[in-house]
Amino acid sequence: KNQVEQSPQSLIILEGKNCTLQCNYTVSPFSNLRWYKQDTGRGPVSLTIMTFSENTKSNGRYTATLDADTKQSSLHITASQLSDSASYICVVSARGNQFYFGTGTSLTVIP
Amino acid sequence: NAGVMQNPRHLVRRRGQEARLRCSPMKGHSHVYWYRQLPEEGLKFMVYLQKENIIDESGMPKERFSAEFPKEGPSILRIQQVVRGDSAAYFCASSPSSLGLTEAFFGQGTRLTVV
Repeated sequence: KNQVEQSPQSLIILEGKNCTLQCNYTVSPFSNLRWYKQDTGRGPVSLTIMTFSENTKSNGRYTATLDADTKQSSLHITASQLSDSASYICVVSARGNQFYFGTGTSLTVIP
Repeated sequence: NAGVMQNPRHLVRRRGQEARLRCSPMKGHSHVYWYRQLPEEGLKFMVYLQKENIIDESGMPKERFSAEFPKEGPSILRIQQVVRGDSAAYFCASSPSSLGLTEAFFGQGTRLTVV
């Protein structure tokens, strides 16, 4: 069964600290993996997209890693800011235009 | 170039009424995807459409739900005889071609409340 699981479910960190969010998937055949940020009441916004051959991709303070062998990905946020408070969603695409969404990690950054 | 536009942003319907959700994709995008997000849950795929064609509707309930993407105008997600369980946020995404590495852009969503 194609599934995407994320951990932790929620996370609270102090402003300025780093954090890492995890994503495990069983989607096959794998096409690509995306991390989205979803602010409360808004649509998801893409942060990174990674293919099978990519191990690391950065977008500013966001760095995503992908291990296609173990089917794991992480999203590392450095020097967190209050505006980073949001849900972070891991989305795995199978060939054939199908997306599988994780339930997200709710991140709260406090001053 | 405006982003993906969804309207209305909020929709309240009584049980048994019809709900129509509209999605105008980004300019130049001919592929539209609809997703539903129930409270405290992740987004779930419903249907994938290209202009005038339904490509994949495997995530859409067989009854009461229908979707279209006409040659002209927005994509419409129609829910007939709504029930309380239909209350959710419905998101639309669009892309310029079939997804692979192509980026998909999401709208702000329509929040449907059935009372």
